[in-house]
Amino acid sequence: QKEVEQDPGPLSVPEGAIVSLNCTYSNSAFQYFMWYRQYSRKGPELLMYTYSSGNKEDGRFTAQVDKSSKYISLFIRDSQPSDSATYLCAMSNMNTGFQKLVFGTGTRLLVSP
Amino acid sequence: SQTIHQWPATLVQPVGSPLSLECTVEGTSNPNLYWYRQAAGRGLQLLFYSVGIGQISSEVPQNLSASRPQDRQFILSSKKLLLSDSGFYLCACRDYNEQFFGPGTRLTVL
Repeated sequence: QKEVEQDPGPLSVPEGAIVSLNCTYSNSAFQYFMWYRQYSRKGPELLMYTYSSGNKEDGRFTAQVDKSSKYISLFIRDSQPSDSATYLCAMSNMNTGFQKLVFGTGTRLLVSP
Repeated sequence: SQTIHQWPATLVQPVGSPLSLECTVEGTSNPNLYWYRQAAGRGLQLLFYSVGIGQISSEVPQNLSASRPQDRQFILSSKKLLLSDSGFYLCACRDYNEQFFGPGTRLTVL
């Protein structure tokens, strides 16, 4: 079993839709949770960063962490064609004293005009 | 804020040839640096990380090596490339609890 599982998609939605992207994980020691957006042939760009459980909102993006279920989500409201990209979840356990991120495989999102 | 440079952007190399990919970081000092590889349909695989000059840790046994000759320079090398070394190589830098990525190098081994 992979430490982090993420549906590869593609997920196709019309412009304006609410998008839900998800990851599950198996390591209960993970404390930091991140979402990256990666456009084709570019490096990943950090979108959201949360610590432990709860919600965090930034503009059209909301990140949720449910540690009891080992499940994290990224919601995108009023999706735009420019949101079309691959979204990678990542998580880490800081107890090691070094930040080693474990990534999901990424979900490809396509937002059509 | 930090800026990460990687070169070359793309590279096509024959099997058995050597490799040298360079990463430099601006806007920070004594950063933690990372090399990742991203293969098609797969997540980012951590290859090497470094917490300081000359300090390299390898995550997976492989055909590659890394060096950190200066505080803000991280180099990925190979003496003889394999077909399986093809992929998108990303350098990353840690800033507090966040990791930031460079633009990447796309390597194709033929």
